[in-house]
Amino acid sequence: DSGVTQTPKHLITATGQRVTLRCSPRSGDLSVYWYQQSLDQGLQFLIQYYNGEERAKGNILERFSAQQFPDLHSELNLSSLELGDSALYFCASSASGTTEGYTFGSGTRLTVV
Amino acid sequence: AQSVTQLGSHVSVSEGALVLLRCNYSSSVPPYLFWYVQYPNQGLQLLLKYTSAATLVKGINGFEAEFKKSETSFHLTKPSAHMSDAAEYFCAVRRDSSYKLIFGSGTRLLVRP
Repeated sequence: DSGVTQTPKHLITATGQRVTLRCSPRSGDLSVYWYQQSLDQGLQFLIQYYNGEERAKGNILERFSAQQFPDLHSELNLSSLELGDSALYFCASSASGTTEGYTFGSGTRLTVV
Repeated sequence: AQSVTQLGSHVSVSEGALVLLRCNYSSSVPPYLFWYVQYPNQGLQLLLKYTSAATLVKGINGFEAEFKKSETSFHLTKPSAHMSDAAEYFCAVRRDSSYKLIFGSGTRLLVRP
C-alpha cells in the first residue's frame, strides 16, 4: 500500500456520460497530480494541485476538470466521455518543496463503451 | 523544455544477465531524474532518484543508475536479472517550476528463464 488511495479501481461507462475519479493523497502530502496512461500516448500529465489550488496544467481536455478539497483529497471529473478516453488514470502525491518524487496510487481503469 | 528519451521500447534479457535500460535527458539546467517501475495492473513505484548529491545512485531491488552529464544520460542497470524484474520501467525528469514529472515512453523488460 503506497498510501495514495484511488477509487474506484475499475469503471465502465457509456459514451457521453460523466464520471468522477477520487484520490486521497499520502498523509502529509500537499500536492496531487493526475496522469492518464494509454497505450498510444503513454503517461500524460493532466493537472497538479497544491494545497487546494491549481499549480500546473498539462494535456487536459476541456471536458475534464479537477479540484482539490480542504481535506486535500482530489477529484477528477471526466464528462462527455468518448471511446478514446479509455485509459488508466493515476493520481500521485508529493510533499511540498521536495525532491522525493511522487507516490502513485494504483490507478482507476476507465473503459468507455 | 525538459524531456527524457528512453531508447528501446522492449528489452529482453536472460535470467542472471546484466540489465541495462537507457535514458537520455534534455535539460538546460541540472535536472532531477527518477526511475520508476510499473508491474502489471499496478501503479508506479519509485526505484531511485538523482538529486545532484552523488552521480551513482543506488535504488531498491538491486538497481542503480549513473548520472553522466557529458552524455546527458541516466541509464538504469542491474548486475543480474531476476524473473521478478519483468515489468515496465519509466525514466522521468522533474520540472522545477511546479514539481511536475515528465515521463519517458517506458521500456518493457522481459526476463527469459
